[in-house]
Amino acid sequence: QQQVKQSPQSLIVQKGGISIINCAYENTAFDYFPWYQQFPGKGPALLIAIRPDVSEKKEGRFTISFNKSAKQFSLHIMDSQPGDSATYFCAARVGGSARQLTFGSGTQLTVLP
Amino acid sequence: DTAVSQTPKYLVTQMGNDKSIKCEQNLGHDTMYWYKQDSKKFLKIMFSYNNKELIINETVPNRFSPKSPDKAHLNLHINSLELGDSAVYFCASSQGAGGGSPLHFGNGTRLTVT
Repeated sequence: QQQVKQSPQSLIVQKGGISIINCAYENTAFDYFPWYQQFPGKGPALLIAIRPDVSEKKEGRFTISFNKSAKQFSLHIMDSQPGDSATYFCAARVGGSARQLTFGSGTQLTVLP
Repeated sequence: DTAVSQTPKYLVTQMGNDKSIKCEQNLGHDTMYWYKQDSKKFLKIMFSYNNKELIINETVPNRFSPKSPDKAHLNLHINSLELGDSAVYFCASSQGAGGGSPLHFGNGTRLTVT
């Protein structure tokens, strides 16, 4: 059973456009929601993270929007660049757990020049 | 300076063989993990060690055995390799007892079983 559902599976955006990746969850015990970015041949790396006590977090061109009542969160990449082309994973962790992250299925983002 | 390093990067072997993957982190973290990424890029945790003690052991065949000789090292030994074991295996580390400590991943070991 997949606890964090991620969509779309793949996304193609023109340079300068906005990329939006969505995730939904069921477990209300989740209290930490990170996004990881993975380039080919590399391991995932933390991009940005949010806790459910805030509805939005912005770091540069990357923004997480969080809707606690809908149990959804999304990653917005503004002014998308070809260098942003990568696989993006949302994730969630149960508070107080043994640091186990549950990952979404990933989104392959391609930004066309 | 590589924070989490895995060796080897590529591993090609035949069914039935036994192989090991090594991982070392120089971040001073107290927790290390093994994740498996399948051909569809789905990431799934296999094991987690905190201060050399096994704290997470997901439903993984007992052919997989992790070993942590110290806090900085977590190795993965796989017996009797099967075709379905082909995947990319990632080692990761983190610090702190929950609370949002980020995972730091290595660059993976691509295992191909023929």
